[in-house]
Amino acid sequence: GENVEQHPSTLSVQEGDSAVIKCTYSDSASNYFPWYKQELGKGPQLIIDIRSNVGEKKDQRIAVTLNKTAKHFSLHITETQPEDSAVYFCAATLNTGNQFYFGTGTSLTVIP
Amino acid sequence: KAGVTQTPRYLIKTRGQQVTLSCSPISGHRSVSWYQQTPGQGLQFLFEYFSETQRNKGNFPGRFSGRQFSNSRSEMNVSTLELGDSALYLCASSPVGGANVLTFGAGSRLTVL
Repeated sequence: GENVEQHPSTLSVQEGDSAVIKCTYSDSASNYFPWYKQELGKGPQLIIDIRSNVGEKKDQRIAVTLNKTAKHFSLHITETQPEDSAVYFCAATLNTGNQFYFGTGTSLTVIP
Repeated sequence: KAGVTQTPRYLIKTRGQQVTLSCSPISGHRSVSWYQQTPGQGLQFLFEYFSETQRNKGNFPGRFSGRQFSNSRSEMNVSTLELGDSALYLCASSPVGGANVLTFGAGSRLTVL
């Protein structure tokens, strides 16, 4: 089955700086890659996703890049704010079902 | 539009008991997936239901089961609870089957003593 690795496990940045989280996957057939943000006491919330026919996608301060050849994808958050502090999960799946494989999470702390 | 609703939010059980968790998906969503979240294993897929049929199942023992009703509401059951079953159980719904956007509920926190 698919295996998703995520780094780093913890990340601290100063407010206004950028944060980058990286994930690799093993199954070249995977073609949908969402990123979720989980705040304390809440379920994961989708913040951005990318499909395998796209190399990059941006939504305001958040961007995701995908390198299918290398089988890795990354989340970029610019101009970080304290409310960006949360745990972020990457995931991968085939486009045929809802069995998502998640990374182990990155705890992001934005220091004011 | 109401989100995904999971009940109960918190529960405590003892080893050997069984538990049933409930999930009401977003109105119009027909696919419901369940995930187990633990600090050690992260988020792991349990199963997915679509139109009352289990379409996909993760690598969990038979003690974990689920079902979906005609109104798309879903329940999952864990029998003969073990200490290692302590976890946050998350339900997610999506409009149709296939790799669509998953909307998660807040989860049911199960503690097994």
